[in-house]
Amino acid sequence: QSALTQPASVSGSPGQSITISCTGTSSDVGGYNYVSWYQQHPGKAPKLMIYDVSNRPSGVSNRFSGSKSGNTASLTISGLQAEDEADYYCSSYTSSSLVVFGGGTKLTVL
Amino acid sequence: EVQLVESGGGLVKPGGSLRLSCAASGFTFSSYSMNWVRQAPGKGLEWVSSISSSSSYIYYADSVKGRFTISRDNAKNSLYLQMNSLRAEDTAVYYCARSYQLLSMDVWGQGTTVTVSS
Repeated sequence: QSALTQPASVSGSPGQSITISCTGTSSDVGGYNYVSWYQQHPGKAPKLMIYDVSNRPSGVSNRFSGSKSGNTASLTISGLQAEDEADYYCSSYTSSSLVVFGGGTKLTVL
Repeated sequence: EVQLVESGGGLVKPGGSLRLSCAASGFTFSSYSMNWVRQAPGKGLEWVSSISSSSSYIYYADSVKGRFTISRDNAKNSLYLQMNSLRAEDTAVYYCARSYQLLSMDVWGQGTTVTVSS
């Protein structure tokens, strides 16, 4: 099972919006509404930000939103803040095993 | 407080074995599926294995199938990962994580480090 494809890095200035893409296939992202997004700060455990494509767990800022079109899911962060600087990973259910993660995207807040 | 605490990591030679444990507290452990996820140094997250609440369903990544065994003891609120025939590429921080809404993971431990080296 190959990892989902994410851009290696994205950047934005405080207050701006950024979008991170996550591309898979019809056997994972495109076939099921089980895409999640995780935020990971250096040396820390991942934190769930979005589940089931577009749902936010309790306590996660509404600046974070998720969507999906075809085989590509997206995470959008609006009103970028310094503390948003982190690595972001998508994951999806996959019919070939169970779960597959993306390669990760490093977000830099300029 | 909902918490997961991993233990059992360490340095092991190629071909060796190690057993990781994950102690859960603050929630009804027996009601949740659980997962192991690993992260090699400087690399991304890799799903390793999942087990349903009653151990009826177990899944493994192809990279560990036949070498790793996931198990749980609901009476002890504990999750385990028995790792055999370890390889250098198994070197990673291993996290246990609670399943949320079927296929997400909402609670993570702090991780335990496994190093496979001669």
